[in-house]
Amino acid sequence: AQKVTQAQTEISVVEKEDVTLDCVYETRDTTYYLFWYKQPPSGELVFLIRRNSFDEQNEISGRYSWNFQKSTSSFNFTITASQVVDSAVYFCALSTTGNQFYFGTGTSLTVIP
Amino acid sequence: EAGVTQFPSHSVIEKGQTVTLRCDPISGHDNLYWYRRVMGKEIKFLLHFVKESKQDESGMPNNRFLAERTGGTYSTLKVQPAELEDSGVYFCASSQDLGNEQFFGPGTRLTVL
Repeated sequence: AQKVTQAQTEISVVEKEDVTLDCVYETRDTTYYLFWYKQPPSGELVFLIRRNSFDEQNEISGRYSWNFQKSTSSFNFTITASQVVDSAVYFCALSTTGNQFYFGTGTSLTVIP
Repeated sequence: EAGVTQFPSHSVIEKGQTVTLRCDPISGHDNLYWYRRVMGKEIKFLLHFVKESKQDESGMPNNRFLAERTGGTYSTLKVQPAELEDSGVYFCASSQDLGNEQFFGPGTRLTVL
């Protein structure tokens, strides 16, 4: 069975602080894909990143970085120097067949100015 | 390029009534997905179309839900008759290929009173 756990329900940080959003996944498949999406107040889910199980390289995109560790089944997301515009709900997701996504319950991030 | 669109954005109906949600995927995307998020819980997969065919409908909660994608373009999701527990946000997503990121619409917030 596939499962994604985002243990942090809500996080508040002060602007310019760094924040890490945790994501732990479970799957017995050897081939799988991991994703992060951002849901701003407007409601749509905005794609941030996709990782396949064979690529453990960490990735940095501007203030965003992702740490993929198969040994701990984690795919954590760090925002450096947070900004108010980063306030949103962030979802981690897992796909094995390339078909349906399994989502975590989301982490609501509030960046306080 | 237009993204995934959903209509209506909000719907409030009474228990026992019928509601039809519509999704227009990104043009050229053969894969179309429906998901649902009940308040505070994870986003859950409902079903997946490849063109006009239902590839996987394992997430459909019961036979009160009927999804169609005639002609392989837009899709509709009908709930008949609606029950209180059907309340939630219904997301539609589309993708070009399996395993790639899914592009999500803004969702339809359904409230059943």
